[in-house]
Amino acid sequence: RKEVEQDPGPFNVPEGATVAFNCTYSNSASQSFFWYRQDCRKEPKLLMSVYSSGNEDGRFTAQLNRASQYISLLIRDSKLSDSATYLCVVNSMRDMRFGAGTRLTVKP
Amino acid sequence: EAGVAQSPRYKIIEKRQSVAFWCNPISGHATLYWYQQILGQGPKLLIQFQNNGVVDDSQLPKDRFSAERLKGVDSTLKIQPAKLEDSAVYLCASRLQNTEAFFGQGTRLTVV
Repeated sequence: RKEVEQDPGPFNVPEGATVAFNCTYSNSASQSFFWYRQDCRKEPKLLMSVYSSGNEDGRFTAQLNRASQYISLLIRDSKLSDSATYLCVVNSMRDMRFGAGTRLTVKP
Repeated sequence: EAGVAQSPRYKIIEKRQSVAFWCNPISGHATLYWYQQILGQGPKLLIQFQNNGVVDDSQLPKDRFSAERLKGVDSTLKIQPAKLEDSAVYLCASRLQNTEAFFGQGTRLTVV
């Protein structure tokens, strides 16, 4: 089993749609969680941290379920500029592991 | 604030040649990572340093890959000899403990 698993997609959605990405992790000792965004041929950049209580940043909402070892990202009112690959990242004291990424394409 | 610096940006070598990549992390970041990202895949951790010590190198192909961070600041990653399947982007990242990681722009390696 992979340490961090994501649905690779691709997700192709129209502008204005709501889309959700899921991520599961295997290390129960994981301590912190993030969603990164990676544009084509660019380095990953932090989109948002994920907190146990859930957190929202504009159109983006992240959720963490430690019992199920599950993280989610919800994007509302999708924009063309949201087209990218979204990477789930799981930190432990020992290392930082990435999922394979979920590719999103938002179409007009 | 200066970000993570990597060089070179691009490198093309023939198989069986050697290559080295350099990374200068954000000042004060004790943790440094090297990742390999093959096209269409997520970044795969190669090695993690805490200051000048190795924390995790379990996925580093040690028969051909080596990395060092002698003074606990900048780091080099070497491949010797290179294989075709080493073609990838090599990303360096740094962070303070348990905070977000910042990435350099990466080195795109093509082995022909």
